[in-house]
Amino acid sequence: AQSVTQLDSQVPVFEEAPVELRCNYSSSVSVYLFWYVQYPNQGLQLLLKYLSGSTLVESINGFEAEFNKSQTSFHLRKPSVHISDTAEYFCAVRVYNFNKFYFGSGTKLNVKP
Amino acid sequence: NAGVMQNPRHLVRRRGQEARLRCSPMKGHSHVYWYRQLPEEGLKFMVYLQKENIIDESGMPKERFSAEFPKEGPSILRIQQVVRGDSAAYFCASCPGVQETQYFGPGTRLLVL
Repeated sequence: AQSVTQLDSQVPVFEEAPVELRCNYSSSVSVYLFWYVQYPNQGLQLLLKYLSGSTLVESINGFEAEFNKSQTSFHLRKPSVHISDTAEYFCAVRVYNFNKFYFGSGTKLNVKP
Repeated sequence: NAGVMQNPRHLVRRRGQEARLRCSPMKGHSHVYWYRQLPEEGLKFMVYLQKENIIDESGMPKERFSAEFPKEGPSILRIQQVVRGDSAAYFCASCPGVQETQYFGPGTRLLVL
């Protein structure tokens, strides 16, 4: 069975500070990894994904995540956050050849001025 | 190309009534997924459908819940005899094929009084 753990339910941070949102997964088979962002009262938007190749993936708005197979982690990082990054972030895995996503419980990022 | 559309965005029902949630996938997408998000939790998979077929309903409650994706028209998630515990946000996602990225709609927020 697959599971996704996001240990931090809330992360407060000041504007322009760096941030890391942690994600660990458990799976007996190979998986694809995703980060989604959810703004208030909206649906989930894909932020970035790891399918294969380079273990470091980046988004267009400055976020990056690194797939670490030995630690079964896919932590999300940004060197300098903006107020507009305030949202809830969900880590998700999908098993090869299956189309079902398993989501973590989410991390609320609150960027303060 | 319009994104995934869901309606209504908000739905209020009294206990015992029926709730019908609609999802129109992105153009060209024949795979639809329904997820439920309870307060303070991540998304939980409910059901995966292709046109006129239910592929995986392992996340659907055994009673009162049903889903369909007819040849023409939107996918429908139907909840009969709603109870307070059904209050949640219900998200639909679509993709063009197996192992493709899923794109999420804005969700329907169901409140059962």
